[in-house]
Amino acid sequence: AQSVTQLGSHVSVSEGALVLLRCNYSSSVPPYLFWYVQYPNQGLQLLLKYTTGATLVKGINGFEAEFKKSETSFHLTKPSAHMSDAAEYFCAVVNTGGFKTIFGAGTRLFVKA
Amino acid sequence: DTAVSQTPKYLVTQMGNDKSIKCEQNLGHDTMYWYKQDSKKFLKIMFSYNNKELIINETVPNRFSPKSPDKAHLNLHINSLELGDSAVYFCASSQEREDTQYFGPGTRLTVL
Repeated sequence: AQSVTQLGSHVSVSEGALVLLRCNYSSSVPPYLFWYVQYPNQGLQLLLKYTTGATLVKGINGFEAEFKKSETSFHLTKPSAHMSDAAEYFCAVVNTGGFKTIFGAGTRLFVKA
Repeated sequence: DTAVSQTPKYLVTQMGNDKSIKCEQNLGHDTMYWYKQDSKKFLKIMFSYNNKELIINETVPNRFSPKSPDKAHLNLHINSLELGDSAVYFCASSQEREDTQYFGPGTRLTVL
């Protein structure tokens, strides 16, 4: 069965600092992996996704994530945080040919001035 | 043009009432979903339809009944509302089951 674990329900960084949000998954077959962002009072929107090919994936707003099969991880990073990055971030996994997307519990990112 | 729209955005009602939430997508997608997001932001899949056929029906009280009149619409009807039904309900759509999901703005349901 698939599962997703996001380490840290809350992460706080200073503006300009590195953002690192952790995601580990379990899947019996090659997964598709996603990061979604949810701004206050809005629906989720896609930041980036990994399906096949290059393991370093670039997304919107300067975010990127690296698929590491050996570590079953798909951590999200951004070199320099902006105040506008404050939001809830969700990691998600679905098996190829899959039936259901599983979302992690979410990580709330706070950005301090 | 809104890709996935939901109505209403806010819904405040009394316990025991029946209410519906409507969802429409103009992306031409084949698959639509209903999610419930609780106060801790945990997102739980409730239902999914593919080409108007129910393909996911999670452990949800049978007071909740989805209906897909066509590929572009997926409505959610809730009977006998309870306090625990208070949450934000999101509709989403995707072209294939493993594809990117596009979410609506959510419907905040408050049961008093």
